[in-house]
Amino acid sequence: AQKITQTQPGMFVQEKEAVTLDCTYDTSDPSYGLFWYKQPSSGEMIFLIYQGSYDQQNATEGRYSLNFQKARKSANLVISASQLGDSAMYFCAMRDRSGGGADGLTFGKGTHLIIQP
Amino acid sequence: NAGVTQTPKFQVLKTGQSMTLQCAQDMNHEYMSWYRQDPGMGLRLIHYSVGAGITDQGEVPNGYNVSRSTTEDFPLRLLSAAPSQTSVYFCASSYRELRGGYTFGSGTRLTVV
Repeated sequence: AQKITQTQPGMFVQEKEAVTLDCTYDTSDPSYGLFWYKQPSSGEMIFLIYQGSYDQQNATEGRYSLNFQKARKSANLVISASQLGDSAMYFCAMRDRSGGGADGLTFGKGTHLIIQP
Repeated sequence: NAGVTQTPKFQVLKTGQSMTLQCAQDMNHEYMSWYRQDPGMGLRLIHYSVGAGITDQGEVPNGYNVSRSTTEDFPLRLLSAAPSQTSVYFCASSYRELRGGYTFGSGTRLTVV
């Protein structure tokens, strides 16, 4: 089973609208961390937001928030008031120690977000 | 601060050649890791390290070696390059406390012909 699933290969959104990017995960480790990264066409990986499995509140960072539904194993990224500069690939990732234990990240396949004027 | 520095940015190798991708960080991060990114595959973990002298395999370790003799450096060695190793390689580092995220280098685009 895939550890991280992103079901939206691509999305088109009108500028200034809110965007929700879906991410579901699978782990048996009770202690895990969830991350979202942005990769613009220039190729760099930009850290957006982090949610720990024991965090009581949903993480927020400026226009980014993470809708964390632990029972559903869901960690959707919400971008409020989208901007043209938000056009990029977005990756959901997890650090856990199930299945052999690794202290690196497992990534989903990404969602290509295009903001239209 | 420079963050995570990867060299070279581009490289073309012939099948069977060996080379080392360099990765250095100046943030005193404990964790370092290497990933490869192929079209449609996201990023996949090759090797990782939780501190100097400690390394372990990730999801796709075959054909690659690593070592971590210092906190700052985490080189990735390709032993005998194959066309299947054509990819973009990223190095990343983080504190043990993950809340600040992993910081990524700018990547190395490797082509094996």
